[in-house]
Amino acid sequence: EVQLVESGGGLVQPGGSLRLSCAASGFTFSSYAMSWVRQAPGKGLEWVSGISGSGVNTYYADSVKGRFTISRDKSKNTLYLQMNSLRAEDTAVYYCAKDPGVAAENWFDPWGQGTLVTVSS
Amino acid sequence: DIQMTQSPSSVSASVGDRVTITCRASQGISSWLAWYQQKPGKAPELLIYAASSLQSGVPSRFSGSGSGTDFTLTISSLQPEDFATYYCQQANSFPLTFGGGTKVEIK
Repeated sequence: EVQLVESGGGLVQPGGSLRLSCAASGFTFSSYAMSWVRQAPGKGLEWVSGISGSGVNTYYADSVKGRFTISRDKSKNTLYLQMNSLRAEDTAVYYCAKDPGVAAENWFDPWGQGTLVTVSS
Repeated sequence: DIQMTQSPSSVSASVGDRVTITCRASQGISSWLAWYQQKPGKAPELLIYAASSLQSGVPSRFSGSGSGTDFTLTISSLQPEDFATYYCQQANSFPLTFGGGTKVEIK
């Protein structure tokens, strides 16, 4: 069974940093693209960043480009999101999600349970 | 960036009703479209991919259609467990983008 478990969320001050992790199991981690998608309280879904199975190719939403960095560790079957220069508008539940196809299809199945990031002083 | 516009933003319906949700892309995306269902406090779940392919395990009352810029999600006979928020998402190009969501509520 494919499982994705996020961790690392919490309360951080504006301008601060946080690193999210997503532990993956139940599939060959290095074969599948992965993404981070967030959802601000009471709002819709926003794709944040994606990474190819090899880790060579990375993609970002304009809203986080230059501040967030996505990466993956094949040896630990873990996806990361390093978030710097955090702003109040980054407050959201952050989900990691798996591309269901070996040939990247850019939709998501399954999703993790999410981890809440709150940026506030 | 490709903008995804969903309508309506909310719909009230009864059990057994047929419900249709539309999604329009700001430029052609062929069939690179997915639909998700999200229930309160839960992660989204994939319902439809490639505009019209039913994800494994999803009931056949859900169907998707369309290509290019206009897409539709149809629930043929609404069930109690279908009351949720539905999102479309374009998978044609980065940055990937979602529609604003459609909340299906009990009438």
